[in-house]
Amino acid sequence: EAGVVQSPRYKIIEKKQPVAFWCNPISGHNTLYWYLQNLGQGPELLIRYENEEAVDDSQLPKDRFSAERLKGVDSTLKIQPAELGDSAVYLCASSLDPDTQYFGPGTRLTVL
Amino acid sequence: GESVGLHLPTLSVQEGDNSIINCAYSNSASDYFIWYKQESGKGPQFIIDIRSNMDKRQGQRVTVLLNKTVKHLSLQIAATQPGDSAVYFCAEPSNTGNQFYFGTGTSLTVIP
Repeated sequence: EAGVVQSPRYKIIEKKQPVAFWCNPISGHNTLYWYLQNLGQGPELLIRYENEEAVDDSQLPKDRFSAERLKGVDSTLKIQPAELGDSAVYLCASSLDPDTQYFGPGTRLTVL
Repeated sequence: GESVGLHLPTLSVQEGDNSIINCAYSNSASDYFIWYKQESGKGPQFIIDIRSNMDKRQGQRVTVLLNKTVKHLSLQIAATQPGDSAVYFCAEPSNTGNQFYFGTGTSLTVIP
């Protein structure tokens, strides 16, 4: 069974530029999560989807971050414009039940 | 929010020795805990979980101990191998159960 797929794996951009990350969850997983992981820290939830509905986005900085999961499968996370402090790893995870989340490899973003 | 913390940020052990990674949590109402392993360049991977009605749970070479009195759990790895080198996170659910809070992590290095 394929795991959670994320692309790109690495992204380097200049500040004020836009950037987008893509996630393909495990087939059949209705719940999808986007996490932010700073260096040396644990993942922090940004947004959680149940099918195509964002049911928890309280920690998503909505002035510059946006996400979508139009057909309840793949999801994209966008930052516009990116700031230096956005440099981090962005993890996507999916699950059938909330107790067992499967994480993708993440996208490492570097903002210069 | 809840606080999940680890006692030691780094741990080095000789190959073949046992490893013990500790974690303190603050929410006495938490009824479920998960240990994750994160290798370099990868997303967190589920290792083992434990519910609050248990004091101990064993997996393959791993054991999790839960002490609810002092709000502490530990991950024990028997006969540590080089492949065990990674960052280990404990995680506990939020009050709503809709997300997990991750600790800072302990970096385990196995010395051959």
